[in-house]
Amino acid sequence: KAGVTQTPRYLIKTRGQQVTLSCSPISGHRSVSWYQQTPGQGLQFLFEYFSETQRNKGNFPGRFSGRQFSNSRSEMNVSTLELGDSALYLCASSLDRRGNSPLHFGNGTRLTVT
Amino acid sequence: GQSLEQPSEVTAVEGAIVQINCTYQTSGFYGLSWYQQHDGGAPTFLSYNALDGLEETGRFSSFLSRSDSYGYLLLQELQMKDSASYFCALTGTASKLTFGTGTRLQVTL
Repeated sequence: KAGVTQTPRYLIKTRGQQVTLSCSPISGHRSVSWYQQTPGQGLQFLFEYFSETQRNKGNFPGRFSGRQFSNSRSEMNVSTLELGDSALYLCASSLDRRGNSPLHFGNGTRLTVT
Repeated sequence: GQSLEQPSEVTAVEGAIVQINCTYQTSGFYGLSWYQQHDGGAPTFLSYNALDGLEETGRFSSFLSRSDSYGYLLLQELQMKDSASYFCALTGTASKLTFGTGTRLQVTL
């Protein structure tokens, strides 16, 4: 079974631009969540989608948004990029929303904002 | 809110046993998870404790004490490939994890 796939792996953008990151979950997994990882702040929850609906949102500004499609694939969008948005963005899928369902992470998209 | 603290770095010798502690503050949670992340890699799930006590999975064991707001990951028979960062995480609402600060484990010969 294929793992979580994130594209692209690397991205370089300029301040003020916008970016869209893509995530394909493990087949059969219905929950997709996004995390931002930086050396200073660690792993921080962005949002979670289940059945095409955002179920949870972390403490990030409205510039960060996402969506989930009927096939469970998900995208996240960051508008008006800032230098501080440079980070590794990780997507994770899980079978369902139970607390003991482990998250399966993709290798992430490394975004650099210049 | 929730917060979790871990030691930033731990060093141990190959073949030894190491314990990585995690203390937390929260108003409520479903369980405590542990994830491993190698440099440049994705976090991978190691274990989950919903109840107090010890969970054993091969060379890895995880412990939770809700009364002490404390948990730990125990790695036995350390191997060089265990050198990685280890994160504890509180599971709040399903699929929303609050991660700890991470512990970088260095296994030496």
